[in-house]
Amino acid sequence: EAGVTQFPSHSVIEKGQTVTLRCDPISGHDNLYWYRRVMGKEIKFLLHFVKESKQDESGMPNNRFLAERTGGTYSTLKVQPAELEDSGVYFCASSLKTGPFTEAFFGQGTRLTVV
Amino acid sequence: SQQGEEDPQALSIQEGENATMNCSYKTSINNLQWYRQNSGRGLVHLILIRSNEREKHSGRLRVTLDTSKKSSSLLITASRAADTASYFCATVRTGEYGNKLVFGAGTILRVKS
Repeated sequence: EAGVTQFPSHSVIEKGQTVTLRCDPISGHDNLYWYRRVMGKEIKFLLHFVKESKQDESGMPNNRFLAERTGGTYSTLKVQPAELEDSGVYFCASSLKTGPFTEAFFGQGTRLTVV
Repeated sequence: SQQGEEDPQALSIQEGENATMNCSYKTSINNLQWYRQNSGRGLVHLILIRSNEREKHSGRLRVTLDTSKKSSSLLITASRAADTASYFCATVRTGEYGNKLVFGAGTILRVKS
């Protein structure tokens, strides 16, 4: 079974440009999460999808970030326009359920560098 | 605010030695989880310990949980070079919209061969 896959693995863009990150969850997992780790700090929650609906987007830093999950399969996270402080590693995770004891499976992350 | 503060921030040991990492958290929990991130790879779930458990083992990993002190420790015995990675503890925060993992900043472990 394929795990969570993220694309690209690494992206370098200039300040002001747009970047779109993609996440393909494990097939059948309704729950999809986005996290990011900035500058070696803690891994912070961004948002949570249940199927195609945004269950919780309380962690989205500002309106330059737009996440979508059309059809409830893969998800995209667009940053427009990118700023220097957006640099970091963006992780996607999926889970079958959403209970407190449910294991979340993470992708390898996308390392975003804004210059 | 985020919780799950790990210490030390960085740890360097020789292969074969044991490595101990600690984690503190602020709110009540259902469980605490430990994850590992190897360079260039994603987060891998290592072990979950429930709030009513005090100790749990998985291979060379030993996790303890002290809910009275709101702290946990991860012990890796007989470390190997392949254990070099960042280790994170995470708690589950249950909110209005469901559950989500809350991570700390992590401990960078370097195992020298």
